[in-house]
Amino acid sequence: EAQVTQNPRYLITVTGKKLTVTCSQNMNHEYMSWYRQDPGLGLRQIYYSMNVEVTDKGDVPEGYKVSRKEKRNFPLILESPSPNQTSLYFCASAHGTGSSPLHFGNGTRLTVT
Amino acid sequence: GQQLNQSPQSMFIQEGEDVSMNCTSSSIFNTWLWYKQDPGEGPVLLIALYKAGELTSNGRLTAQFGITRKDSFLNISASIPSDVGIYFCAGQLTNRDDKIIFGKGTRLHILP
Repeated sequence: EAQVTQNPRYLITVTGKKLTVTCSQNMNHEYMSWYRQDPGLGLRQIYYSMNVEVTDKGDVPEGYKVSRKEKRNFPLILESPSPNQTSLYFCASAHGTGSSPLHFGNGTRLTVT
Repeated sequence: GQQLNQSPQSMFIQEGEDVSMNCTSSSIFNTWLWYKQDPGEGPVLLIALYKAGELTSNGRLTAQFGITRKDSFLNISASIPSDVGIYFCAGQLTNRDDKIIFGKGTRLHILP
């Protein structure tokens, strides 16, 4: 089954404790992206990647890092999480981005205390 | 940066009613996409539009790519309880590799 898999689904952590949210897709998609969803703000792009070893900032990259060492994986790294990073995070992938719709994972709800 | 204005922000309707929501922008888009997010899940694509003026249906859903290429609407006919969720429009500025811009979503509530 074609899918985007995020882990974990839920995470509660404390300020400053480094964490990684994993994302993996099995569709051989070139494009992958991370979004955060906050009430009233919709989906905001954090980082995206056009292909292996190619990453770019989205609209809200501050406090986040990503890597794309393999085509299927695109982990999101929070080196020193802060409470304002409490949010619902979605990973997505697409074939190219031209006119190819995104496939989303089921989300990771992160709480930073 | 480019923005999509999606309205309404939320809707409360009776089961069986028709629904209409839209997105507008000051920028020109080459692709319009409509997604639905069910509670606890990620957004799922409903309809993709690739040409100005295009009108596309998916069951009870109909979406149109505005002729000016700056807007799109989504209609849902005869709403049912499982239509509840958040609907997002999204646009792409070019057909080359470029990021997708999302509207802020329309939350649909259906009253029994």
